[in-house]
Amino acid sequence: DTAVSQTPKYLVTQMGNDKSIKCEQNLGHDTMYWYKQDSKKFLKIMFSYNNKELIINETVPNRFSPKSPDKAHLNLHINSLELGDSAVYFCASSQWDRVTNEKLFFGSGTQLSVL
Amino acid sequence: KQEVTQIPAALSVPEGENLVLNCSFTDSAIYNLQWFRQDPGKGLTSLLLIQSSQREQTSGRLNASLDKSSGRSTLYIAASQPGDSATYLCAGITQGGSEKLVFGKGTKLTVNP
Repeated sequence: DTAVSQTPKYLVTQMGNDKSIKCEQNLGHDTMYWYKQDSKKFLKIMFSYNNKELIINETVPNRFSPKSPDKAHLNLHINSLELGDSAVYFCASSQWDRVTNEKLFFGSGTQLSVL
Repeated sequence: KQEVTQIPAALSVPEGENLVLNCSFTDSAIYNLQWFRQDPGKGLTSLLLIQSSQREQTSGRLNASLDKSSGRSTLYIAASQPGDSATYLCAGITQGGSEKLVFGKGTKLTVNP
């Protein structure tokens, strides 16, 4: 059973399109995250939600809009895709609203290629 | 702004060797630290978590330590195996800062049979 699952695994699209990435966790965690791993392999947090409430928004362009219908799901919608959005996007979850004392569990990533 | 450096960027060793991966933070006030493993095309797997009251953690052949005074952490892998080949990332949260994990770029480890 996959603890944190995200779909699709690969996403190839044209500039200007709108796309969504879905994430679900079955661990019963309170907090979910979106991370972006760029071509230089740096992992940076984009958003985190705790019980459907946004708690971290890391100066991400407003073309990116997370949506959390319930605490087990955190989807990422991207409008007007740009070439620079090409990266691997990882969903993650942890038990509390603070990462401080709990391990982070990651999904397997969505490789987004904008042409 | 917290920055994380991992040395070396890549490491290739023969099977059976003991090895050490290094991680350093520009802001030494690390609240907690995690070491992750990333396999190609896959997500990250948390290996060890050193919480605020701890100095080291051990799991099997892995041992991670954190020197809060210097902001440095090491991951020790004993008796390395080909299955250990992966990229290892460290990530930490700064005390008094925002509650965000800041990641290093990782060390790509190859263990040759």
